[in-house]
Amino acid sequence: QSALTQPPTASGSPGQSVTISCTGTSSDVGGHNFVSWYQQFPGKAPKLMIHDVNKRPSGVPARFSGSKSGNTASLTISGLQAEDEADYYCSSYTDNNSYVFGTGTKVTVL
Amino acid sequence: QLQLQESGPGLVKPSETLSLTCTVSGASIRSSNYYWGWIRQPPGKGLELIGSMHYSGSTYDNPSLKSRVTLSVDTSKNQFSLKLTSVTAADTAVYYCAVTTVIMSAFDPWGQGALVSVSS
Repeated sequence: QSALTQPPTASGSPGQSVTISCTGTSSDVGGHNFVSWYQQFPGKAPKLMIHDVNKRPSGVPARFSGSKSGNTASLTISGLQAEDEADYYCSSYTDNNSYVFGTGTKVTVL
Repeated sequence: QLQLQESGPGLVKPSETLSLTCTVSGASIRSSNYYWGWIRQPPGKGLELIGSMHYSGSTYDNPSLKSRVTLSVDTSKNQFSLKLTSVTAADTAVYYCAVTTVIMSAFDPWGQGALVSVSS
C-alpha cells in the first residue's frame, strides 16, 4: 500500500490559517470516513488531533479542524500559534483492512 | 487513563528476530474495546503501520510486512508483543505501540517509542 501524499512543508504567520492536504485513492481516503491526523514534535510520539475526518478529541484546541472531499482530506489550523510548529501526519483506513499513513508535513510558524 | 510503554533490546543483528513488548496500564488486554497495535518510524522518515490485533484474534495488517510479523498478547502480564523476523538495516526505526478502539478508527494513545537499530 502506498503512503498518502502530503506536501513536505507548510507555513504561516501567527494568527493566519494553514491547510495541509492528504491525497489518497478511492481505496483509502475516498472510500472511508476514517481519516485521522497526528501532530508530532521532534523526539516525541505522535498525538491524535483529528479522527473520523473532522472530530476533535477532548483537549485538542478548536483551531484544529478536518475535512474531506473525494480522495483528498485536509487539516486546517486557524489562528496559527508558535506552539503549532511540528510535523503533521494523516492516516486512513483502507480496503485491505489496514491503515496507511501520509508522507508528513512540517509546519513552520514564521 | 490508558497508558502504554514499550520495552525490548535496542540493538538486533541482521537476519535475527526483533522482539518488543508493550505494557498496558489503565485497561485490560482482554477488553473487547481495543485493537493493540505497532507502528514504526525510520529515522527522519514517516510512520508505517506494522499491525494491530484484537484480543479475539482479528487483525489489521500491513501486507508488505505480514509474512515477517507475529503479534501476540500475554493476559497474565497485561502486555502485547511484536516479533519481526529476518531483520535488515531497513528495519531500523523507532517502534511505537498504540491503540485503536472499535468505535474510533484512530491511534490513541501511543507509547513513548523504542529505538531499535539493526546492525552487526
